[in-house]
Amino acid sequence: GENVEQHPSTLSVQEGDSAVIKCTYSDSASNYFPWYKQELGKRPQLIIDIRSNVGEKKDQRIAVTLNKTAKHFSLHITETQPEDSAVYFCAASTGYQKVTFGTGTKLQVIP
Amino acid sequence: SQTIHQWPATLVQPVGSPLSLECTVEGTSNPNLYWYRQAAGRGLQLLFYSVGIGQISSEVPQNLSASRPQDRQFILSSKKLLLSDSGFYLCAWSVLIHYEQYFGPGTRLTVT
Repeated sequence: GENVEQHPSTLSVQEGDSAVIKCTYSDSASNYFPWYKQELGKRPQLIIDIRSNVGEKKDQRIAVTLNKTAKHFSLHITETQPEDSAVYFCAASTGYQKVTFGTGTKLQVIP
Repeated sequence: SQTIHQWPATLVQPVGSPLSLECTVEGTSNPNLYWYRQAAGRGLQLLFYSVGIGQISSEVPQNLSASRPQDRQFILSSKKLLLSDSGFYLCAWSVLIHYEQYFGPGTRLTVT
């Protein structure tokens, strides 16, 4: 089955700096890669996703990149703000029922 | 628009007691439904998923079971809870062709 590895497990950045979270996947058939943000005590919320026919996608301060050859994808957050502090999960899916999640990255933005 | 409900929001149960958590989805038909468990400070562990009424796939063998008696209803059960069953239980739904998975508000279960 699919295996998704996520790094780093914790990340601290100064407010205004950029943050990058990286994930690798094992199943070459995966074609959908979502990212979720989970604030303390809340449900995970889908913040951005990318499909395998696209190499990069941007939505305001967040962007995702995908390298299908290397089987890795990344989340980039620019101009970080304290409200970006949360746990971020990457995931991969072949589109057939299941989504496999990474282990999460706890991002702390220091004011 | 689609809405997903879970109840109860919080639950404290003694070891050995039964469990029933319910999840319902509104605004969509024939969704894929999922149960996840999240231990404190940990990732998302897929427990069960269902692609239709009465169709349940189990990802992790344990003392939990799931049922889907109606198209938009998903139930997580246990006959006897263990201390290790404590955690944050999340229900999620998706529509196959769209892939995106959306989570319910969760049930925080503490087994004492």
